[in-house]
Amino acid sequence: GENVEQHPSTLSVQEGDSAVIKCTYSDSASNYFPWYKQELGKGPQLIIDIRSNVGEKKDQRIAVTLNKTAKHFSLHITETQPEDSAVYFCAASKGKTGANSKLTFGKGITLSVRP
Amino acid sequence: GAVVSQHPSRVICKSGTSVKIECRSLDFQATTMFWYRQFPKQSLMLMATSNEGSKATYEQGVEKDKFLINHASLTLSTLTVTSAHPEDSSFYICSAGEGQIPTDTQYFGPGTRLTVL
Repeated sequence: GENVEQHPSTLSVQEGDSAVIKCTYSDSASNYFPWYKQELGKGPQLIIDIRSNVGEKKDQRIAVTLNKTAKHFSLHITETQPEDSAVYFCAASKGKTGANSKLTFGKGITLSVRP
Repeated sequence: GAVVSQHPSRVICKSGTSVKIECRSLDFQATTMFWYRQFPKQSLMLMATSNEGSKATYEQGVEKDKFLINHASLTLSTLTVTSAHPEDSSFYICSAGEGQIPTDTQYFGPGTRLTVL
């Protein structure tokens, strides 16, 4: 089955700096890669996603890049703010129906933005 | 984005009792919903896939007789933890894919904190 690895496990940055979080996946059939932000005691919130037919996607301060050859994708957060502090999960799935739509999650990374 | 709600947000129960958790898609219909379990400082573990009008599909190692799932409508799925024990204490989260057309995008509910005494 799919294996998603996420590294590093913790990341601390100064407010205003950029943060980059990387994930690798093992199944070349995976074609959908979402990123979720989870604050303490809350459910995960979808912040951005990318599909395998696209190499990069951007939404204001957040961007995601995908390298299908190397089987890795990264989350980029620019101009970080204290409210960006949270746990970030990457995930992967292989399609839109049935078992293919199941998400495999990475272990999560705790991002701390120092004021 | 689509909104998913869960009820209750927190529940405390005695060992041996059953607890029902509701997951609702508020502004969209969802043919498929997913139930996850999350222990402190760990990732999300998929328990089962809930399909409207049919039986749920459980992940390996998840007891289907203990974790009963019902997806009676396109906006509601329920998870019932039967004969709960302290080791069932966890954060239970559901997610739903928007629309009746197959989709890969999942939106998560706020989670339910279950504590079994």
